[in-house]
Amino acid sequence: AQSVTQLGSHVSVSEGALVLLRCNYSSSVPPYLFWYVQYPNQGLQLLLKYTTGATLVKGINGFEAEFKKSETSFHLTKPSAHMSDAAEYFCAVSDRRTGGFKTIFGAGTRLFVKA
Amino acid sequence: DAGVIQSPRHEVTEMGQEVTLRCKPISGHDYLFWYRQTMMRGLELLIYFNNNVPIDDSGMPEDRFSAKMPNASFSTLKIQPSEPRDSAVYFCASSSTGQIYEQYFGPGTRLTVT
Repeated sequence: AQSVTQLGSHVSVSEGALVLLRCNYSSSVPPYLFWYVQYPNQGLQLLLKYTTGATLVKGINGFEAEFKKSETSFHLTKPSAHMSDAAEYFCAVSDRRTGGFKTIFGAGTRLFVKA
Repeated sequence: DAGVIQSPRHEVTEMGQEVTLRCKPISGHDYLFWYRQTMMRGLELLIYFNNNVPIDDSGMPEDRFSAKMPNASFSTLKIQPSEPRDSAVYFCASSSTGQIYEQYFGPGTRLTVT
């Protein structure tokens, strides 16, 4: 069975500082991996995804993530945090065998950005 | 383009009442997903449809929950009878075969059962 673990339910950074949100996954087959962002009172929005090919994936709003098979990780980073990045972030995994239809989400990490 | 539309945005009901949540997917999308989000359990997939046909309903918690998709532009999630533990935010999402990895979420319906 697939699973996702996000390390840290809350992360706080200063504006301009590096953002690092950690995600580890468990999957018996090569996974599809995603990061979604959720702003207050809104639905989830896809930030970026890894399916095949280049392991460093760039997404919207300056975020990127690197798929590391040996570490079963897919950490999300952004070089310089903005106040507008404050939100909840979800790492997710899908099973290639089902064509990526069934997605398992992590528990989420709430990002706080201090002025 | 309009995104995924859900109604109502908020629903407060008493235990035992029937609740119906509605979703209009993005036009042209052939996959529709229903999720439930709670503090305790996070985001859970309840059921998903492809071309209006339910494909996997293994996440539906119990028989009190049912979902239908009578046509490509409308789906409902019904809870009958509702219980306080059903209180959650329910999201609908849609995607297309060509972009199955990208699910577009609606704003959600916050359900409170008293």
